[in-house]
Amino acid sequence: KQEVTQIPAALSVPEGENLVLNCSFTDSAIYNLQWFRQDPGKGLTSLLLIQSSQREQTSGRLNASLDKSSGRSTLYIAASQPGDSATYLCAVTDSWGKLQFGAGTQVVVTP
Amino acid sequence: NAGVTQTPKFQVLKTGQSMTLQCAQDMNHEYMSWYRQDPGMGLRLIHYSVGAGITDQGEVPNGYNVSRSTTEDFPLRLLSAAPSQTSVYFCASSSIRGPYNEQFFGPGTRLTVL
Repeated sequence: KQEVTQIPAALSVPEGENLVLNCSFTDSAIYNLQWFRQDPGKGLTSLLLIQSSQREQTSGRLNASLDKSSGRSTLYIAASQPGDSATYLCAVTDSWGKLQFGAGTQVVVTP
Repeated sequence: NAGVTQTPKFQVLKTGQSMTLQCAQDMNHEYMSWYRQDPGMGLRLIHYSVGAGITDQGEVPNGYNVSRSTTEDFPLRLLSAAPSQTSVYFCASSSIRGPYNEQFFGPGTRLTVL
């Protein structure tokens, strides 16, 4: 059974620092990997999607890498801002479209 | 383009009551799914559908029914609510055509069962 782990569970950084969030998964037979952001009491917002054949994906200050063979993905957020404070979730998709989520990393960016 | 919409936003039920959580999408997505989110358990798949008339069970299907009569709608029915079903419920959709399959989530329904 696929298991997805996110470390650390919580992270606090001063504004301007780069954020590094880790995601690992046990079964490398994934279709894609998606990173989401969730604000308190809100739904999930898709940030980046990496196909299993890709090594990385970039959007603005966000960059996500994928090493399928070692079962790892990393989300980098450059020059963090207080507005980046949220919970970040990674999820792997199987060929049927089913998502398996990690528990998330709660990020606080202090001014 | 409203994306994925869910109603109601909040609901309080008594044990044994039934209700339907509504989910609709206007992106012509074939794939729709329901997840529940609980503290310490993360998001878990309840049921999913790959098209009208086709549904299947996810990780935690007991106590829930679904049907998919149209592409746009995917309601989740609680047959006899139990306190263990207190949770936040999210609906998601994606296209199964092409290589991307990015999943889009609704805003959630917060359900309390007393």
